[in-house]
Amino acid sequence: DTGVSQNPRHKITKRGQNVTFRCDPISEHNRLYWYRQTLGQGPEFLTYFQNEAQLEKSRLLSDRFSAERPKGSFSTLEIQRTEQGDSAMYLCASSLQGRVTEAFFGQGTRLTVV
Amino acid sequence: GIQVEQSPPDLILQEGANSTLRCNFSDSVNNLQWFHQNPWGQLINLFYIPSGTKQNGRLSATTVATERYSLLYISSSQTTDSGVYFCAVLRSNDYKLSFGAGTTVTVRA
Repeated sequence: DTGVSQNPRHKITKRGQNVTFRCDPISEHNRLYWYRQTLGQGPEFLTYFQNEAQLEKSRLLSDRFSAERPKGSFSTLEIQRTEQGDSAMYLCASSLQGRVTEAFFGQGTRLTVV
Repeated sequence: GIQVEQSPPDLILQEGANSTLRCNFSDSVNNLQWFHQNPWGQLINLFYIPSGTKQNGRLSATTVATERYSLLYISSSQTTDSGVYFCAVLRSNDYKLSFGAGTTVTVRA
């Protein structure tokens, strides 16, 4: 399978704990995105990487959130001191920079903070 | 940022019916994609259609970029077509997709 892969698929955590999610993009894609989706809403942009550089962070991304993409390959999204409001589906996508910019999404990680 | 409006918000169809979903956007775009979100939450690519018309089986899409809208047509709907359909656009000089709120389609047998 050469699509975008996300792990874990589901995560249940207690409030105040830290969690980390992983995204493996399509191998030749140099752009990687994180989105968050809550029930009944469309996905909302969180952050964007071009290769290893994080070029934009949404105001939705509080200082408890951090994302990395070492070596421009896989990416991790960490949430520190989780809150119940962090419960959501976290989606990762990748695309190529260029004329055709079609983005492909992973299966998502569903986070539940109890 | 760019505004993306989808209509209708909800659509209930009898199996075999045809339907049209609409996506309006407020600025020039380089990319427009239609997705179907499956019951497990994954966004499945339907069309990459910054302009023109494309068809894939019972689905087709048309984007009129100069008038800032796109249409997704579902013909002879089946129960497996149920789910949420999202339109997402990439504004000119930007690199991130902006999503509409989606259209929830329910196809009844």
